[in-house]
Amino acid sequence: RKEVEQDPGPFNVPEGATVAFNCTYSNSASQSFFWYRQDCRKEPKLLMSVYSSGNEDGRFTAQLNRASQYISLLIRDSKLSDSATYLCVVNKGNNAGNMLTFGGGTRLMVKP
Amino acid sequence: GAGVSQSPRYKVAKRGQDVALRCDPISGHVSLFWYQQALGQGPEFLTYFQNEAQLDKSGLPSDRFFAERPEGSVSTLKIQRTQQEDSAVYLCASSLTYTDTQYFGPGTRLTVL
Repeated sequence: RKEVEQDPGPFNVPEGATVAFNCTYSNSASQSFFWYRQDCRKEPKLLMSVYSSGNEDGRFTAQLNRASQYISLLIRDSKLSDSATYLCVVNKGNNAGNMLTFGGGTRLMVKP
Repeated sequence: GAGVSQSPRYKVAKRGQDVALRCDPISGHVSLFWYQQALGQGPEFLTYFQNEAQLDKSGLPSDRFFAERPEGSVSTLKIQRTQQEDSAVYLCASSLTYTDTQYFGPGTRLTVL
């Protein structure tokens, strides 16, 4: 079983739609959680960190459920420019700083 | 300011050749990470440096892989006797400290024929 599991998609949605991605992680010692965005043939870029209380950044909302070891990302009012692969990322444990484990990514395609 | 840079951007090697991939981190960043990203997969951790010290090399897939950062800035990932399964994008990331956000370079796409 992979340490971080994501549905690879692709998720094909029309502009303006709301779309949600989920991910599960296996390391209960993980303390830091992130969503990264990766455009085709580009490097991953940090989209947002994920906090236990949930957090929002414009059209993006991230939530964490430590008990279920589950992380989600909600994108409202999808734009064409949101088309990318979204990587769920967790750190390796208590003293692992930002030693990161990446999921395989979920591909989103937003269509006109 | 300048981000993380990597060279070459593309490398084609014949099976059995040695290759060297370079990473220039953001100036002043103490931590440097190497990742391997196979097609359709997420990045997989290879190794980590804090300044010139290689503190974790648990992700290196075999003893053909070697990384160094002798002066605590530029790093080189070397792959000896390349195999087809080494074909991947090799990503370098740096962060100000061990706990800060990692910034990725554009990667080197290695193709082993």
